[in-house]
Amino acid sequence: AQKVTQAQTEISVVEKEDVTLDCVYETRDTTYYLFWYKQPPSGELVFLIRRNSFDEQNEISGRYSWNFQKSTSSFNFTITASQVVDSAVYFCALSERGGNQFYFGTGTSLTVIP
Amino acid sequence: GAGVSQSPSNKVTEKGKDVELRCDPISGHTALYWYRQSLGQGLEFLIYFQGNSAPDKSGLPSDRFSAERTGGSVSTLTIQRTQQEDSAVYLCASSLTSGPSYNEQFFGPGTRLTVL
Repeated sequence: AQKVTQAQTEISVVEKEDVTLDCVYETRDTTYYLFWYKQPPSGELVFLIRRNSFDEQNEISGRYSWNFQKSTSSFNFTITASQVVDSAVYFCALSERGGNQFYFGTGTSLTVIP
Repeated sequence: GAGVSQSPSNKVTEKGKDVELRCDPISGHTALYWYRQSLGQGLEFLIYFQGNSAPDKSGLPSDRFSAERTGGSVSTLTIQRTQQEDSAVYLCASSLTSGPSYNEQFFGPGTRLTVL
């Protein structure tokens, strides 16, 4: 079974629109970590955020915000006032305590149209 | 170096040939990971090294795949008798301490492998 599901394969928005990227995860561990990575056209993955399972506070960083809800096993990512430079593939990932690997979703390709 | 480096950036090979892909992690990072990213897919875990411990090879897809890490630094991923389905981008990542649970991974630019 897929541990991390990103149901949105591709999203297109017009510049300055807000956009939310969905991430649903599955784990039996009580301690786990969730991550978002950005993969721009250049190809190199860039770390955006890490959230542990004990911290459900939402986080805002500039135009980026993350909504972590354990009740629905979701860790959604919102970009406010999108810009063309936000165009990239965004990956959500899960790491379970004691594990050596990440479980990545299949990614959401975001295109911001000027 | 400032980040994780990988070489070559692109590799084209013929079916049946062996290939070696190299990864230089960030200096001081004890953990090193290899992933495979096929076209339009997420990242598939291959192997994990932590210091001098035995590597976690649970993600290697077949015995044609192997990896080593010399001196706790540079790593080489070897694919023997390449097949067309091996065509993908191979990504290397390193992190400061053991296990991804506590530290984010820093990724290299990847090696794009094409098997003809």
